[in-house]
Amino acid sequence: EAQVTQNPRYLITVTGKKLTVTCSQNMNHEYMSWYRQDPGLGLRQIYYSMNVEVTDKGDVPEGYKVSRKEKRNFPLILESPSPNQTSLYFCASSLAAGENGYTFGSGTRLTVV
Amino acid sequence: GQNIDQPTEMTATEGAIVQINCTYQTSGFNGLFWYQQHAGEAPTFLSYNVLDGLEEKGRFSSFLSRSKGYSYLLLKELQMKDSASYLCAPLNTGFQKLVFGTGTRLLVSP
Repeated sequence: EAQVTQNPRYLITVTGKKLTVTCSQNMNHEYMSWYRQDPGLGLRQIYYSMNVEVTDKGDVPEGYKVSRKEKRNFPLILESPSPNQTSLYFCASSLAAGENGYTFGSGTRLTVV
Repeated sequence: GQNIDQPTEMTATEGAIVQINCTYQTSGFNGLFWYQQHAGEAPTFLSYNVLDGLEEKGRFSSFLSRSKGYSYLLLKELQMKDSASYLCAPLNTGFQKLVFGTGTRLLVSP
């Protein structure tokens, strides 16, 4: 089944403890992206990647890192999480830069205390 | 700049028709997507309009006017399961990304 797999689905962590949210797609998509979703603010792009070893900042990149060493994987790294990073995170992938629409992962609900 | 405007919330009754409007201003426009999102779940694709006009797909239709920066999603024969948020998302090729509106929360009542 063609899908985007995110893990974990739920995570509660403490301020400053490094964490990684994994994202993997099995559709051979070039384009991958991370979004966060907060009430009243909609989906905001954190980082995106046009292809392997090519990443770029989205609208809200501060406090996040990403890597794209393989085409299928696009992990989101929070080196030192803070409470304002409590949010619902979605990974998405596309065959091209959005022209065929995005396929979204199931989401990761992160709480930083 | 990028600006997307949708109503925050709408209500309708089962079996009715509802139209959700979206106006947008974005550079490098190359089409517009509509997504459905149930609370706490991932957005799912509904429609994509590139050319002006109406695209019909079952109970859902989507309309685009590029010159007016306007689109709408039309939902017919509403069902309770249609209660969800509907996201308007212009494709901005200049920034190589989908730009999402904050969404319209639709509540369908019996």
